[in-house]
Amino acid sequence: QKEVEQDPGPLSVPEGAIVSLNCTYSNSAFQYFMWYRQYSRKGPELLMYTYSSGNKEDGRFTAQVDKSSKYISLFIRDSQPSDSATYLCAMKKGGGNKLTFGTGTQLKVEL
Amino acid sequence: GAVVSQHPSWVICKSGTSVKIECRSLDFQATTMFWYRQFPKQSLMLMATSNEGSKATYEQGVEKDKFLINHASLTLSTLTVTSAHPEDSSFYICSVPGGGTIVEQYFGPGTRLTVT
Repeated sequence: QKEVEQDPGPLSVPEGAIVSLNCTYSNSAFQYFMWYRQYSRKGPELLMYTYSSGNKEDGRFTAQVDKSSKYISLFIRDSQPSDSATYLCAMKKGGGNKLTFGTGTQLKVEL
Repeated sequence: GAVVSQHPSWVICKSGTSVKIECRSLDFQATTMFWYRQFPKQSLMLMATSNEGSKATYEQGVEKDKFLINHASLTLSTLTVTSAHPEDSSFYICSVPGGGTIVEQYFGPGTRLTVT
């Protein structure tokens, strides 16, 4: 069993839709939860990170962490074609720098 | 955040040859850099941690004699794929940790390696 599970998609939505992306994990030692966006053939860029449980909002993006369920989500409101990319969740334990990534969900926002 | 560059962005080499990939931290001194490998439609897998002034730390299952890492300075780490084979064809990405209490890692644009 992988430490981090993420549905690879692809997920296709119409422009303006609310998108929900999710990851589950098995290691309760993870304390930092991140979402990266990766365009085709580019390096990942950090969208948001959350420490422990709770919600965090940044513009059209909202990250949620439920440590009791070992479940994290990223919501994108008013999705745009420019949001089309692969979204990777990543997690980190309290110490050290090692990130554990999900496989990424490919999102396509259509006009 | 830190600006990270990689060179080359794309390389094709013949089986049996060696390829060197550079990772530079342009505006941040990095005592540590990370090297990842990403196969199509798969996750980023950490290969090794590059440490300035000391040996790299390799993840389980990564051959250190095949993937040579040299952290030459606080701004440069290199990954050399020795005796490359077609199965080494992948997307190689480096990252720089933010440092201090910053948990983010800043990624380079990646290098696509194709071994023919």
